[in-house]
Amino acid sequence: QPVLTQPTSLSASPGASARFTCTLRSGISVDTYRIFWYQQKPGSLPRYLLRYKSDSDKQQGSGVPSRFSGSKDASTNAGLLLISGLQSEDEADYYCAIWYTSTWVFGGGTKMTVL
Amino acid sequence: EVQLLESGGGLVQSGGSLRLSCVVSGFTFSSFVMSWVRQIPGKGLEWVSGISGTGGTTYYADSVKGRFTISRDNSKNTLYLQMNSLRADDTAVYFCARHAAGMGDAFDIWGQGTMVTVSS
Repeated sequence: QPVLTQPTSLSASPGASARFTCTLRSGISVDTYRIFWYQQKPGSLPRYLLRYKSDSDKQQGSGVPSRFSGSKDASTNAGLLLISGLQSEDEADYYCAIWYTSTWVFGGGTKMTVL
Repeated sequence: EVQLLESGGGLVQSGGSLRLSCVVSGFTFSSFVMSWVRQIPGKGLEWVSGISGTGGTTYYADSVKGRFTISRDNSKNTLYLQMNSLRADDTAVYFCARHAAGMGDAFDIWGQGTMVTVSS
């Protein structure tokens, strides 16, 4: 079972909200780790969006709009990336990552389609 | 302007070696932890290796441990990745990336990447 699991794809309409999940493997608690989120548009470099561990331990990436936010769902052991007011420019791949046992682990990524 | 510029990629036969370089500008290189991250075109991101600001501490993914060596020359503002015993599954775009703070912090600046193709 991978350390981080992300759904392969997600779609939503312009103006709607999107909820990306990053589920940690059983035995790895979402409460323990900072979860980092990256956006990669086609043909572009990854861009750091934000990190979230708790409401008191979170950070927005430089220049990242406030409509991007982080959270977690302890009941499903998942980190969350929330995007409100979806725009066509939000079409991209979104990756989560954690620093785990002295290595960086990325999720497989979720492809966001704005219909 | 902060910039990371990779070079050294190319086509190499399985079992061969390559040395990647990443020249940085626009910030105090020695103050920042750096990493290499790779991506098979059309696929996801995979962290490869990281190094402390002094170069005294290094980290590797299990997939490259014992084959790849990360290093840096702070006098030349350059990060390196020596890749030996290359395999077909090492084929990817290799990015150098700066960490915002320590090794466990975000990759906040990325280079454009250099393509490595390993033929079997």
